Parts: sequence; structure tokens; C-alpha cells
Amino acid sequence: SQELEQSPQSLIVQEGKNLTINCTSSKTLYGLYWYKQKYGEGLIFLMMLQKGGEEKSHEKITAKLDEKKQQSSLHITASQPSHAGIYLCGADHTGNQFYFGTGTSLTVIP
Amino acid sequence: DAGVIQSPRHEVTEMGQEVTLRCKPISGHNSLFWYRQTMMRGLELLIYFNNNVPIDDSGMPEDRFSAKMPNASFSTLKIQPSEPRDSAVYFCASSLPQGANEQYFGPGTRLTVT
Repeated sequence: SQELEQSPQSLIVQEGKNLTINCTSSKTLYGLYWYKQKYGEGLIFLMMLQKGGEEKSHEKITAKLDEKKQQSSLHITASQPSHAGIYLCGADHTGNQFYFGTGTSLTVIP
Repeated sequence: DAGVIQSPRHEVTEMGQEVTLRCKPISGHNSLFWYRQTMMRGLELLIYFNNNVPIDDSGMPEDRFSAKMPNASFSTLKIQPSEPRDSAVYFCASSLPQGANEQYFGPGTRLTVT
């Protein structure tokens, strides 16, 4: 969706390296969600951020929502092959409309 | 919990045929969403229901697409007649009340229209 811009579109990293994926909206977000998708499978929920400045972590994945609630970043520390997949951000702009970003394809080389 | 269940997992049909995709949401979830995913357009919301009532169907491509939710545990997405450009993966997702809750996705139905 053009409502949410993700960057980069694809990423190839060596195992053990850190990486960051960005998600930007032109509108204020009510909620920002990060999902991971493996090829041929459904989306798996990672984290949800609602408050400006909020930061959450799960294992080696950290997500932040900026103070203006228009940009979020997903950071993976010491990447592993199991982190490979497509990462999508999803956003709730009004409480009644939900959009997904275009996705970032991550490849981790052992 | 079995999660969101979708059927069939794969569907191959000829242009002009009717296609019906099915979804069983997680018990207790009262919001249900239908998405379509393609390489060109990414993941698009088609329609969503709250308490079995369609709230926003602005994402439905055209009149050939229709969705129903006759009860809290079942929803269908129908395409009639189907066209090759409808080929995509269709996902169903459910959540607790829309607004501040994450959506749980089914495994998807891969539709190929020849």
C-alpha cells in the first residue's frame, strides 16, 4: 500500500550482522504492527507499538515507534538464518482502516 | 487453539468458473479480515467484518467479488466469474475487537485461474 513505505525492499546480510528495516507513514498512526512471513505461509505477528517513543523487544528483534508516530524501525541484532523471510509493517490509521507496507525481503547468508 | 483455518489451501480453476474460499476464525475473535497478496500489489485488505457485519468493503476489486459471514465461526469469499488476474494468495485473519489488537493469519489459499 502507498500508505506505508518500507525500506529497503530487500536485504542480504551475513549471519551475525545487525540490520534495520524502516516503515514510514504520511499519516499519524494509531497502531503499528510488525509481521514476518515465510514463503508460502501466513503472517506471524511480531510486535505492536502504539505510543510515541515506544520500544519493544522480542529475543533479538527490537522495534521502535518515533515520537510523532509516523515512522517505525525494526532492528535485528546478530542475525541468523532463522530470521530470513519477508517483514511487513501494518498500520491502523483511523481505528477502522488497516494497511500493510510493501514488505522487506531478508536473506541471511550462513 | 487451531488458529485460523482456511480451505482449500490450493485452488486451480479455469477462467469463468466460480471460486469459493472459506475461513474459520479463531473462536472468540469478533473481527475477520480478507486479504489478497500478489507480487505486484503486495498485501491488500479486501473486506473486514465486525461481529459478522461487513464494515469496510472498499478494497473489494469489483462486483465479481463478494464476501459473507453468516455466523461468528465461518466466512466465505466468492469470485464469480473468475479471471486470470484474480490469481493470488488469499489470506483470512481474525482478531479481538478492531483497533488495538493484532490479527492472526490463516495459512492462505493459493488461487490460480487459467
